[in-house]
Amino acid sequence: DQQVKQNSPSLSVQEGRISILNCDYTNSMFDYFLWYKKYPAEGPTFLISISSIKDKNEDGRFTVFLNKSAKHLSLHIVPSQPGDSAVYFCAAAGGTSYGKLTFGQGTILTVHP
Amino acid sequence: NAGVTQTPKFQVLKTGQSMTLQCAQDMNHNSMYWYRQDPGMGLRLIYYSASEGTTDKGEVPNGYNVSRLNKREFSLRLESAAPSQTSVYFCASSERGYGYTFGSGTRLTVV
Repeated sequence: DQQVKQNSPSLSVQEGRISILNCDYTNSMFDYFLWYKKYPAEGPTFLISISSIKDKNEDGRFTVFLNKSAKHLSLHIVPSQPGDSAVYFCAAAGGTSYGKLTFGQGTILTVHP
Repeated sequence: NAGVTQTPKFQVLKTGQSMTLQCAQDMNHNSMYWYRQDPGMGLRLIYYSASEGTTDKGEVPNGYNVSRLNKREFSLRLESAAPSQTSVYFCASSERGYGYTFGSGTRLTVV
């Protein structure tokens, strides 16, 4: 039972355009959401997070949007750069899973020059 | 500034062999975690240790054991490796909240 789902295995974007990565969750107890970025042969690194009391959080080129009623979050990268090419994982926590993260399957983002 | 160090980086085992994956962090974090990454499955929690002296099962604990040796070290043991345990294993640590720091992973193949 996948509680956090990233339904797009891959996304290809032109440099300078917007990248939108999507994530859906089923557990209504989740109240904190994060995005991690992973390069090949490296561990995931934290990118940006959002609490359920907010619906938007920005950090430079990265913005995360949360729609609690739809149990959906998205990561926007504007403008996209070739160095953004990586695997992006969304993760969620809260309720009985406090202290533990539940990850989605990941989306491979490729930004073409 | 090592962060989280995992050894070995690569390992090939025969079915039935045992091995221990080592993880050490130098950030004085209380919590440590073991995840496995499989294609199409994302990262799944195997075991975690909220603090020194405690360990708990995660989502996929079968076939694994763990030891929180001290605050720095958290090892993962496969007693009798199976091909289904072929995966990339990540150790992570955190102090508070969810700002995990991950190691670079151990790529394990069981043949």
